[in-house]
Amino acid sequence: EPEVTQTPSHQVTQMGQEVILRCVPISNHLYFYWYRQILGQKVEFLVSFYNNEISEKSEIFDDQFSVERPDGSNFTLKIRSTKLEDSAMYFCASSDPKTGGSYNEQFFGPGTRLTVL
Amino acid sequence: AQSVSQHNHHVILSEAASLELGCNYSYGGTVNLFWYVQYPGQHLQLLLKYFSGDPLVKGIKGFEAEFIKSKFSFNLRKPSVQWSDTAEYFCAVNPLNTGFQKLVFGTGTRLLVSP
Repeated sequence: EPEVTQTPSHQVTQMGQEVILRCVPISNHLYFYWYRQILGQKVEFLVSFYNNEISEKSEIFDDQFSVERPDGSNFTLKIRSTKLEDSAMYFCASSDPKTGGSYNEQFFGPGTRLTVL
Repeated sequence: AQSVSQHNHHVILSEAASLELGCNYSYGGTVNLFWYVQYPGQHLQLLLKYFSGDPLVKGIKGFEAEFIKSKFSFNLRKPSVQWSDTAEYFCAVNPLNTGFQKLVFGTGTRLLVSP
């Protein structure tokens, strides 16, 4: 069964450093997403991406964040200058909305645990 | 504020006990509803979903959920839990009129089933 994969599984970085989290969505999916879960808190939506552009983003997704689909398979989340409060589990997801647009089952990757020191 | 609420943060049950996890949401309009499960060390997996039609939906592993529109609720049930159901359960809402693509999650419920 196809799966969303993410690398690395753990990333430790110093405050102020740039990090890139990588995801390989399911190959025939068209929508891509990033969510994060700070320890002990709920899973929060960050951004959705379709047709090579951001289609929706939350207020969390400020100028420090960016997403890119650099090739036909990868989907990346970049944090330009990490802060302590960026420490969280970051989940990538993908979906393949049916015609009509109201169907949105998202398939999640295993997550990348980001620790900012 | 628009949100998704899960009433129980931790639930402890013995095997064969019945399970009901509450989920309420505050979005108006049309919503798609989901329950995801996260087993220890694994990623989020879809248990079941509701888009339209029969408000009682059946998912994998014997789980079911009932959508009650008048109560803005989508409670998850299982008649007889097993030790392997130990996991964290997340209710999620796709609010079609305010965020077509995003899922809004509840805080999750940690279920521990003792053998």
